Amino acid sequence: EAGVAQSPRYKIIEKRQSVAFWCNPISGHATLYWYQQILGQGPKLLIQFQNNGVVDDSQLPKDRFSAERLKGVDSTLKIQPAKLEDSAVYLCASSHPLFSDTQYFGPGTRLTVL
Amino acid sequence: AQSVSQHNHHVILSEAASLELGCNYSYGGTVNLFWYVQYPGQHLQLLLKYFSGDPLVKGIKGFEAEFIKSKFSFNLRKPSVQWSDTAEYFCAVTASGGSYIPTFGRGTSLIVHP
Repeated sequence: EAGVAQSPRYKIIEKRQSVAFWCNPISGHATLYWYQQILGQGPKLLIQFQNNGVVDDSQLPKDRFSAERLKGVDSTLKIQPAKLEDSAVYLCASSHPLFSDTQYFGPGTRLTVL
Repeated sequence: AQSVSQHNHHVILSEAASLELGCNYSYGGTVNLFWYVQYPGQHLQLLLKYFSGDPLVKGIKGFEAEFIKSKFSFNLRKPSVQWSDTAEYFCAVTASGGSYIPTFGRGTSLIVHP
């Protein structure tokens, strides 16, 4: 079984630039999550999708962050414009509809904002 | 809302030493508890989980954790660590019957010297 795929693995940008991350969940996993993990902290949920609908985006900074999952499979997370404090690892995870309590994480995208 | 405290931020051990990583949570209701591990250069993966039943949970690679409800704790243990256990360990909690979005602790970095 293929795992959660994410790209790119690393990204370096300057502040005020925009950036996008891509995630492809495990096949059949209806629920997809985006987390932000700042160095020295645990992952924090940004947004949760169920198929192509948003379930929870209460912690997404909507003035600069956006995410979509148009066809209910892969997803993109965008930051525009980026700030220095956005430097973090962005993790994507997915879960099976019958086993929602267990999430499978991708390798993450490490973003550095200069 | 729930919160998780991991008191040991950095732990350094020699091979064959015993390990115990502390995890305390704060939540007034019934919880599900998890330990995740992130090996160097790899993605976050589930080590073990507790939902109900026997409070002593056994996971992969010889790890176990004990849920002590009266202490709001879910400490991770391994009787004899190996160099390959060097990793970041995260405790997480979800509210039973509610959203399956975990609240993570800040993590414990374990280094095992050969």
